[in-house]
Amino acid sequence: AQRVTQPEKLLSVFKGAPVELKCNYSYSGSPELFWYVQYSRQRLQLLLRHISRESIKGFTADLNKGETSFHLKKPFAQEEDSAMYYCALRDLSGNTPLVFGKGTRLSVIA
Amino acid sequence: GAVVSQHPSWVICKSGTSVKIECRSLDFQATTMFWYRQFPKQSLMLMATSNEGSKATYEQGVEKDKFLINHASLTLSTLTVTSAHPEDSSFYICSARDHLVPETQYFGPGTRLLVL
Repeated sequence: AQRVTQPEKLLSVFKGAPVELKCNYSYSGSPELFWYVQYSRQRLQLLLRHISRESIKGFTADLNKGETSFHLKKPFAQEEDSAMYYCALRDLSGNTPLVFGKGTRLSVIA
Repeated sequence: GAVVSQHPSWVICKSGTSVKIECRSLDFQATTMFWYRQFPKQSLMLMATSNEGSKATYEQGVEKDKFLINHASLTLSTLTVTSAHPEDSSFYICSARDHLVPETQYFGPGTRLLVL
């Protein structure tokens, strides 16, 4: 079974401070990990996926298979980063649906 | 970019009635669509996976007779909540996979259902 754990429901940081949103997973197969973001009153949208190894809006995430983690990081938080962030997992084959963590609400304080 | 729409965006109904929610892929064809449910302040929980032209696959604990899914075309999937009760009140979100780019999964804006 697939499981995604986001231990923090809410994370508040000051503008300009570093941000780390934690995500741990459990999966017996080969996982593909994602971060999705949901801004206020908007639909869920893909932020980044581990396969792409890219930085989107200053965010990065590295898959650590040893620690089964995929933490989301940004060195300097901006007010517009305030949103709900979901870590998600599916099989690397792409043949399974996304399974989501419970989400972390990031609040960036000016 | 790929867009998924849902209709209606919100619905209020009386207990015992049935409600149909539509999910459409607007500029791509989706052989696979997913239905999720999200309770307040909780995560998205997968309800079922629907494949065009075949029966939906339901997740454990989801009643297939209560949540009827029809994926009759490559751009439309419907979720019907039959004999709705207040505990069915939730946010229902569909997601569609572009058949040309199968690694994608695009999300609709969601439908808020309130059963009185």
